[in-house]
Amino acid sequence: ETGVTQTPRHLVMGMTNKKSLKCEQHLGHNAMYWYKQSAKKPLELMFVYSLEERVENNSVPSRFSPECPNSSHLFLHLHTLQPEDSALYLCASSPTVLNNSPLHFGNGTRLTVT
Amino acid sequence: DQQVKQNSPSLSVQEGRISILNCDYTNSMFDYFLWYKKYPAEGPTFLISISSIKDKNEDGRFTVFLNKSAKHLSLHIVPSQPGDSAVYFCAASASYTDKLIFGTGTRLQVFP
Repeated sequence: ETGVTQTPRHLVMGMTNKKSLKCEQHLGHNAMYWYKQSAKKPLELMFVYSLEERVENNSVPSRFSPECPNSSHLFLHLHTLQPEDSALYLCASSPTVLNNSPLHFGNGTRLTVT
Repeated sequence: DQQVKQNSPSLSVQEGRISILNCDYTNSMFDYFLWYKKYPAEGPTFLISISSIKDKNEDGRFTVFLNKSAKHLSLHIVPSQPGDSAVYFCAASASYTDKLIFGTGTRLQVFP
């Protein structure tokens, strides 16, 4: 049990589909994040939420839409994705968004866009 | 342009020996550095960190060294164990921003 749970673990979707990734943290943290990990590239920050308010949108295309209904849950809604969006999507949480607050990651959702 | 670079994609070390993983950064404003470890099919887990006011931080078998003038940090694992086999990510941040910048990772393999 990592404290940060992501579902589903694997997802295959067509370019016209709509799907959602879910993240739940059981750590009582106030900040939640979406990261993207593509092959041979650094982890890329996508979105940051602090106390359910979005504080960072790192120039992510609008086909990715985050939602944070409360401090324990984070969603990433996907629609009309492209094959190059295939990647590992990692959710993370931290006590605060301060830079000395280590991230706790979930195990990720491996997304394949066909 | 990558601000955090891990130039060695892989490293192979014999059990019991020292593993040294390196990381270079370009942004002189970075003042906090972390190492994460990632096993296959799992998310990264926090390993050790260091603030720019220090040049060394030790936690058991893991020691991180920071050389600010060279913009270089390294993670030493001694003695290395087979269970240390994983991908290690270096990350850095600056206090004026909440963004954590990751390197591409180094895959460490510790063989018996």
